[in-house]
Amino acid sequence: DVKVTQSSRYLVKRTGEKVFLECVQDMDHENMFWYRQDPGLGLRLIYFSYDVKMKEKGDIPEGYSVSREKKERFSLILESASTNQTSMYLCASSRGQGLYSNQPQHFGDGTRLSIL
Amino acid sequence: DQQVKQNSPSLSVQEGRISILNCDYTNSMFDYFLWYKKYPAEGPTFLISISSIKDKNEDGRFTVFLNKSAKHLSLHIVPSQPGDSAVYFCALVGGADGLTFGKGTHLIIQP
Repeated sequence: DVKVTQSSRYLVKRTGEKVFLECVQDMDHENMFWYRQDPGLGLRLIYFSYDVKMKEKGDIPEGYSVSREKKERFSLILESASTNQTSMYLCASSRGQGLYSNQPQHFGDGTRLSIL
Repeated sequence: DQQVKQNSPSLSVQEGRISILNCDYTNSMFDYFLWYKKYPAEGPTFLISISSIKDKNEDGRFTVFLNKSAKHLSLHIVPSQPGDSAVYFCALVGGADGLTFGKGTHLIIQP
């Protein structure tokens, strides 16, 4: 079974801090994704990566950056955390090439991030 | 403007009856359609999918229907069980954005 592991289930940080969310997948998937989920807004794509060192902006990249130095690991960085970044963050991985892959995405259990 | 709409934020169905979840879209370039299920405090899990060359795909209690002329996708669950209570997202592949998720429908199965 595919396993996508997010480093923290719950995280509390302060405004202005630099925040790192880590995600690791164990199935050698090419694609990795970061989403945030907010009530009434569904899943919104922040960034995705289709290969090592490759990254593409999603729908809401402002205030975020990403890093993919190894195939199995995809990090989301909040450069200077703000209260409007309080959310549930979900990492996912899949086979195929980028957003046009018809392969199902496998999700981690999410990180509930609170910015105070 | 939303390309993908799940017009019912929530749906309540009695145990044993059929649950029908709907997803409408505007872009005829979508060519692959998936449904995901999400429990609270867990990530979404893949449920079932369908290609645009088909109009029906079945997997046990779950059936997905695609009506391309109406640009309408539906998921039927029969019979509904308490463990089906969750949020269901449709996800569409194709078009300019590549991948688009609906906002989700919260299905509640009443005993």
